[in-house]
Amino acid sequence: QKEVEQNSGPLSVPEGAIASLNCTYSDRVSQSFFWYRQYSGKSPELIMSIYSNGDKEDGRFTAQLNKASQYVSLLIRDSQPSDSATYLCAVTYQLIWGAGTKLIIKP
Amino acid sequence: EAGVVQSPRYKIIEKKQPVAFWCNPISGHNTLYWYRQNLGQGPELLIRYENEEAVDDSQLPKDRFSAERLKGVDSTLKIQPAELGDSAVYLCASSLQGTHEQYFGPGTRLTVT
Repeated sequence: QKEVEQNSGPLSVPEGAIASLNCTYSDRVSQSFFWYRQYSGKSPELIMSIYSNGDKEDGRFTAQLNKASQYVSLLIRDSQPSDSATYLCAVTYQLIWGAGTKLIIKP
Repeated sequence: EAGVVQSPRYKIIEKKQPVAFWCNPISGHNTLYWYRQNLGQGPELLIRYENEEAVDDSQLPKDRFSAERLKGVDSTLKIQPAELGDSAVYLCASSLQGTHEQYFGPGTRLTVT
């Protein structure tokens, strides 16, 4: 059974701090990795995609991928209250999603 | 550019009744996905289309669920008959072929009573 694991949280972070979200996966042939943000009652929204080892930065967001250790992480710098949401990790080769980490940014 | 369109947004039906969901993907997106999401869980892939072809339907409960994507654009997901456990949000997403960078519609919240 292929799995994607995330800490369910909630993860509480002060406004302006760095939020760190982690995801581990079991399928070594996974090739593509995605982070989605989902506000309560809304659909998932694509934030970042990453395909190779290392870091990928987009504004306040940085995705980090380590295929040898089978984990992918998302860093959110200068966290804002509007970042409060559930963050979902998705992994391919097979399209498998984690259950998400609930992030709360405290003003 | 219009996003993924889904209808209806909400549906309440009694068990054993049929229900259908409709999805119109982003123009130019050849890949279309149907997901089911339960509260507190990640989306579960039901079926993925590349153009008209269903390329991954391994998680689709084929005894009661069916899907079609005629002409490779719009898609319909049907449940017949519905069971209480089918209550969930049904999400449609689309992507450019080969990317899996998915864009989601607003979803249909199904309640089976």
